[in-house]
Amino acid sequence: KAGVTQTPRYLIKTRGQQVTLSCSPISGHRSVSWYQQTPGQGLQFLFEYFSETQRNKGNFPGRFSGRQFSNSRSEMNVSTLELGDSALYLCASSFPVGGADTGELFFGEGSRLTVL
Amino acid sequence: QQQVKQSPQSLIVQKGGISIINCAYENTAFDYFPWYQQFPGKGPALLIAIRPDVSEKKEGRFTISFNKSAKQFSLHIMDSQPGDSATYFCAASPFWGKFQFGAGTQVVVTP
Repeated sequence: KAGVTQTPRYLIKTRGQQVTLSCSPISGHRSVSWYQQTPGQGLQFLFEYFSETQRNKGNFPGRFSGRQFSNSRSEMNVSTLELGDSALYLCASSFPVGGADTGELFFGEGSRLTVL
Repeated sequence: QQQVKQSPQSLIVQKGGISIINCAYENTAFDYFPWYQQFPGKGPALLIAIRPDVSEKKEGRFTISFNKSAKQFSLHIMDSQPGDSATYFCAASPFWGKFQFGAGTQVVVTP
């Protein structure tokens, strides 16, 4: 079974640009969540999608947005990039969400964004 | 604001020693407490998890101790091996809710 696939793996952008990151979850997984990882801050929750609906959202500005498609693939977009957006963006899928022994998140290897 | 506080930030342990990482939380709605292990260049992977109806869970050399009244939980790595060198994250989640992760602990096991 293929794991969570994130593209692109690395990208460099300049301030003010926008970026779109893609995540393909494990087949059959309906929940996709996104996290921002920076040194010293750990993993900060961005948002979670389940069956194309955003179910939970973290404390990030509106420049950060996402969506999920009917095949459970997800994208996140960051507009008007700032230097502080430089981070590793991780996508995780799970199935089902919640319940005994079903809370495991399966992470991709991330998309490393550098903003210059 | 970190809802799950993790310590220490880093630790160095000799091969065969015990690594201990601690986490504390405030939200009593948290219902599920996993630990994730992350190697450089990889995404985190589930190591072991516990629910608050038990005080301890052991899987091989890894043990979670859970203290519900103190709202604390910890990871013990017994007989630490160089292959255990990684970053460890504790996390907490309410049922059907989003995960809150600690800031991470970088563990280095020296030969």
